[in-house]
Amino acid sequence: AQKITQTQPGMFVQEKEAVTLDCTYDTSDQSYGLFWYKQPSSGEMIFLIYQGSYDEQNATEGRYSLNFQKARKSANLVISASQLGDSAMYFCARPGNQGGKLIFGQGTELSVKP
Amino acid sequence: SAVISQKPSRDICQRGTSLTIQCQVDSQVTMMFWYRQQPGQSLTLIATANQGSEATYESGFVIDKFPISRPNLTFSTLTVSNMSPEDSSIYLCSVLAGTDYGYTFGSGTRLTVV
Repeated sequence: AQKITQTQPGMFVQEKEAVTLDCTYDTSDQSYGLFWYKQPSSGEMIFLIYQGSYDEQNATEGRYSLNFQKARKSANLVISASQLGDSAMYFCARPGNQGGKLIFGQGTELSVKP
Repeated sequence: SAVISQKPSRDICQRGTSLTIQCQVDSQVTMMFWYRQQPGQSLTLIATANQGSEATYESGFVIDKFPISRPNLTFSTLTVSNMSPEDSSIYLCSVLAGTDYGYTFGSGTRLTVV
């Protein structure tokens, strides 16, 4: 089954600290991609970062980086120097095996404390 | 990446009525996706809207309840029919355009059924 698992329903982090959000996945595919999205209270889905399974280096986008461990089937999001505006829901996702649609994890609600 | 205009952004509707949500894309895309996000939950795919053919519905979703139109490669509508309070959710459209990771989301429609 093409399953995405996020085991942390909620996380707290102090402002300016780093935080890691966990994501594991099931796949039998050789080639796949993994996504992270941020969803603030407004409800929009904001693309953060993408990792292709054949990418040799971990993806980075500004303060966001992916700790991609293929053997463990994990793609954890690391947010460095947390800001109050980082408080939101975070979703890990990957394309389904029939192409097109994205399959989402359960989400992690991140709260950044001042 | 593509830009999507989704309308309305929110609505409060009476039970038994219907609401049509529109998504307009600034470029031609083959596949458009409609997701539902119930309160406190993750995103679940309702259907894939294909231009020139019937939409493909996921298990648990039926055309009579969620009719979809896709008259051209830049536009789609989702109707939530005969609404009940259980239909209160955020509805999001999404497209895949350009690269393998070129998923874009509309800003979402926050629906409350009273």
